[in-house]
Amino acid sequence: DAMVIQNPRYQVTQFGKPVTLSCSQTLNHNVMYWYQQKSSQAPKLLFHYYDKDFNNEADTPDNFQSRRPNTSFCFLDIRSPGLGDAAMYLCATSSTGRETQYFGPGTRLLVL
Amino acid sequence: KNEVEQSPQNLTAQEGEFITINCSYSVGISALHWLQQHPGGGIVSLFMLSSGKKKHGRLIATINIQEKHSSLHITASHPRDSAVYICAVNRGSTLGRLYFGRGTQLTVWP
Repeated sequence: DAMVIQNPRYQVTQFGKPVTLSCSQTLNHNVMYWYQQKSSQAPKLLFHYYDKDFNNEADTPDNFQSRRPNTSFCFLDIRSPGLGDAAMYLCATSSTGRETQYFGPGTRLLVL
Repeated sequence: KNEVEQSPQNLTAQEGEFITINCSYSVGISALHWLQQHPGGGIVSLFMLSSGKKKHGRLIATINIQEKHSSLHITASHPRDSAVYICAVNRGSTLGRLYFGRGTQLTVWP
């Protein structure tokens, strides 16, 4: 089945230790999004790619970076995780950005 | 003030009850989405609509563009409907960016 896959589902890292979360999609969608969702809060858009064009939200910290080496894969890099970065990270895709977004199951990040 | 407001924040119902969740927004939109999120899980898109009404199984979504208001109805609710329901809107000026409401936690008891 076509889907959005996120690995790992759970990630534990140490304060300050770089971590990479991955997202892959079999939908061949042009647009890929990364959201951060903290407990009992709405998802917050960090950035998105339209094809290879990277679009960063103005309030996304520099600590968060992203890579999209090809259509199928997108990575979220957290260079120096702090305790406040513990959250659920959701990847989503959309065909052209004007349709339904398809979400992955999320990666729950714990920072010790 | 959040651009997308949902009510109620929490909702408890008995199995079989008819449920309504409301969403109002204060900006111009190109589309409105209703999303479902189960505990610890990812998000599933239920509806995307820009006018009128859509129905899928026991779920019905309506939108009134003039009043900037949408409702999600669940008929014959079931415990498996227990989840957070999130309203989100696309603003036409920003491609694909969703503006989210804070969600409604629905609990349906058997």
